[in-house]
Amino acid sequence: SQQGEEDPQALSIQEGENATMNCSYKTSINNLQWYRQNSGRGLVHLILIRSNEREKHSGRLRVTLDTSKKSSSLLITASRAADTASYFCATVSTGANSKLTFGKGITLSVRP
Amino acid sequence: ETGVTQSPTHLIKTRGQQVTLRCSSQSGHNTVSWYQQALGQGPQFIFQYYREEENGRGNFPPRFSGLQFPNYSSELNVNALELDDSALYLCASSVNSPYYYNEQFFGPGTRLTVL
Repeated sequence: SQQGEEDPQALSIQEGENATMNCSYKTSINNLQWYRQNSGRGLVHLILIRSNEREKHSGRLRVTLDTSKKSSSLLITASRAADTASYFCATVSTGANSKLTFGKGITLSVRP
Repeated sequence: ETGVTQSPTHLIKTRGQQVTLRCSSQSGHNTVSWYQQALGQGPQFIFQYYREEENGRGNFPPRFSGLQFPNYSSELNVNALELDDSALYLCASSVNSPYYYNEQFFGPGTRLTVL
């Protein structure tokens, strides 16, 4: 079963624009992570935000977390054609034997 | 590029056969997790090994089994292959404790096709 639900499912923007992707989840979490995947290959970790954090930055990436609404957003500023990929949010639930649970992903296309 | 490698890259098997996929963790990592990713879906957690012991399992039948070796490399074995087992199999290593889940470093995956 998939805990995270990303929105939108697909996003197409022009190079230089900002891309905003949203993720909602259902259960209490320890942390939430965003990953990128190019063309069905391995995933690349982008950023991890813990349940007691509200916002985090890494280069052109900004992630927010609202635990009261069980939602997170990933903002990519000044997008580039190389940002074209699938983006996944993944949650780590609280409790024993926690695991990383992925959503279905968002397909981002950045047009040159 | 992470330091996680997987072999083989591609594999074609027939229904009922058995398959072994291999993963070499990034140096210094003590935890390996395996995921199955069907086309158009997010990765689904199969199981995790921490210091050679299974430390959590997803909703997969017992014909999916694994091993982690003292050098922290790992194998995923699937018996009695079914058509629905066709997917990209991803291995990820990390430095976890039993109580804390850190970022995962993924390998490039093994594409398994079951005919």
